[in-house]
Amino acid sequence: GNSVTQMEGPVTLSEEAFLTINCTYTATGYPSLFWYVQYPGEGLQLLLKATKADDKGSNKGFEATYRKETTSFHLEKGSVQVSDSAVYFCVSTGGGNKLTFGTGTQLKVEL
Amino acid sequence: KAGVTQTPRYLIKTRGQQVTLSCSPISGHRSVSWYQQTPGQGLQFLFEYFSETQRNKGNFPGRFSGRQFSNSRSEMNVSTLELGDSALYLCASSLIERNEQFFGPGTRLTVL
Repeated sequence: GNSVTQMEGPVTLSEEAFLTINCTYTATGYPSLFWYVQYPGEGLQLLLKATKADDKGSNKGFEATYRKETTSFHLEKGSVQVSDSAVYFCVSTGGGNKLTFGTGTQLKVEL
Repeated sequence: KAGVTQTPRYLIKTRGQQVTLSCSPISGHRSVSWYQQTPGQGLQFLFEYFSETQRNKGNFPGRFSGRQFSNSRSEMNVSTLELGDSALYLCASSLIERNEQFFGPGTRLTVL
C-alpha cells in the first residue's frame, strides 16, 4: 500500500529563517499529495495540494512541488514566522478518499 | 458555510464499554472518513462512507464500525473498549473523490 515518510522533528528555527521539511512517498498509480497543518489546540487544516507531477502547491508563503522522478513533495518557506509554529503532515491519497499520513513534523519558530 | 462538526468533543469511558461518536459533514459533502490519531501510531485511516455505503476500510479490528445516514451524517461505534482505544478520533468530509478533505475538531476519547 501507500506510505509517506517525512522528516523527523521537532524542528526549531529562528524567525525569518528558511524552512524545508522533507517528504517522500511510495504509491501505486498517481496519488494526489497534500500538506496539512495542525496548530496548537486546533484541528487539521489543508495547507496546500498538488494533484499531478510537476504541480506546485502554494499557500501562505509555503510551497511544495510534486516530483514524480524523486517521489518527493518537500515543503518550503522562505521566511518563517512565530505564527507558523505547528505540526505539519505530508499526506497522499490512496484508494478512493483514504489519506495516508506521514508521522508529522513539529515546527517551533522562536524570536 | 458551517464546517465539519463532531460530537461529543470529549468522552471518558471504562474498559469493556462501548461508545458512539457522531460527525456532521459540510453541507453537500457525501463522503465522510474517520481517522484515529494517537501519539504512538500517528494518524490512521479507519473507514470511509459514501452515499451510505462503506467504500474503504483500514486495518482495525471489527470492534470498530460505522454507518452513514441518508443526510450524510455519520457515526462510528467502538465496542468492548480497550485502554489502547484512547485517542483523538477525527472525521473528515469531502465533495468528490481525491479532492481536499475538511476535518472536524475531533472527539477526544479516554478509556480508563
